[in-house]
Amino acid sequence: DVKVTQSSRYLVKRTGEKVFLECVQDMDHENMFWYRQDPGLGLRLIYFSYDVKMKEKGDIPEGYSVSREKKERFSLILESASTNQTSMYLCASSLTGTGYGYTFGSGTRLTVV
Amino acid sequence: DQQVKQNSPSLSVQEGRISILNCDYTNSMFDYFLWYKKYPAEGPTFLISISSIKDKNEDGRFTVFLNKSAKHLSLHIVPSQPGDSAVYFCAASAASGTYKYIFGTGTRLKVLA
Repeated sequence: DVKVTQSSRYLVKRTGEKVFLECVQDMDHENMFWYRQDPGLGLRLIYFSYDVKMKEKGDIPEGYSVSREKKERFSLILESASTNQTSMYLCASSLTGTGYGYTFGSGTRLTVV
Repeated sequence: DQQVKQNSPSLSVQEGRISILNCDYTNSMFDYFLWYKKYPAEGPTFLISISSIKDKNEDGRFTVFLNKSAKHLSLHIVPSQPGDSAVYFCAASAASGTYKYIFGTGTRLKVLA
């Protein structure tokens, strides 16, 4: 069964901490994505990567960075966590080309206190 | 600017009846559309897709209709079941040069037994 695995389901961090969210996929997908989901705002793209060591900003990259050192792993980094980063974080991967949708992970519910 | 809009944040339907979820988009370059279903504390799962060369796609109880001239798509669920209660997101992508999907804000469907 193909999978996108996010390392934590629930995470509580303090304001100012550096936070790492890890995502691993086993489908050899080229593209990986980080979204956050907030009530009334839907899924908003933070960053995405279309190849190892490549990254592009999404719609809301401020306060975040990413790392993709290996094809299967895409990490989201909150440099200095703030309470407005409390959210559900979703990782996804896809093949390149028309018609390939995303496979999502189960999500990480991050609470910053 | 929200390129993909789901104007109904919630919808309640009786079990056995039809559920109709709507989605509007503004970018005429979008040519591939997906619907995802999301349960609480889980990642979204793919439901059904449609390409702009079609105006209808069916998969069991789920049918997606696309009206390109109106830039509108809809998801029909017939008959609705209590297990269909979830948040539904539509997503759109343009084939040329991107593998990125833009998501709507979601519609919470509640199917009443």
